[in-house]
Amino acid sequence: EAGVAQSPRYKIIEKRQSVAFWCNPISGHATLYWYQQILGQGPKLLIQFQNNGVVDDSQLPKDRFSAERLKGVDSTLKIQPAKLEDSAVYLCASKTSGSPGTQYFGPGTRLLVL
Amino acid sequence: AQRVTQPEKLLSVFKGAPVELKCNYSYSGSPELFWYVQYSRQRLQLLLRHISRESIKGFTADLNKGETSFHLKKPFAQEEDSAMYYCALQTGANNLFFGTGTRLTVIP
Repeated sequence: EAGVAQSPRYKIIEKRQSVAFWCNPISGHATLYWYQQILGQGPKLLIQFQNNGVVDDSQLPKDRFSAERLKGVDSTLKIQPAKLEDSAVYLCASKTSGSPGTQYFGPGTRLLVL
Repeated sequence: AQRVTQPEKLLSVFKGAPVELKCNYSYSGSPELFWYVQYSRQRLQLLLRHISRESIKGFTADLNKGETSFHLKKPFAQEEDSAMYYCALQTGANNLFFGTGTRLTVIP
């Protein structure tokens, strides 16, 4: 089966600019996650979707980050405006709706904010 | 609050030697623990989960609720085991909390 796809793979922007990341989960996976992985740390959950609804966005910095999954398939994560501390790898993962399930990760988008 | 601690950022062992990657957790609920691995230039992937009680690529991990630990072990390390290893705790909301990871290097 095709894996989780993400684009772009790399992005360099200046602080205060905007950026958007795209994720296409594995077909049929109802649950989608966005993680932020700062260098030297483990992935940190930003937001979890179940189909097109938000299940958990408690760790999402909502003053600058937003995410959507309008049709319950693809998802976008946006940062506006970006700060230097947003430099990280942004990972998307998807999982089937059953439990326990396995999260399958995409290759990630590496963001550098200058 | 939940927490996952991996005390070793770096671990080097010789090929054929036993390896143990430590993981301790803190969680008020019933824990579900996982080990994820990331090989060089590959994406993060599940290695094993405690509820399966299985051995994957020679690795095993036992959940010790008394010591709140979930250490990953392999009796004889291989060069292809060199990778980044993350311990993760799943909460009731099916969210994963990751440790900071341990980079394992197996020396030929």
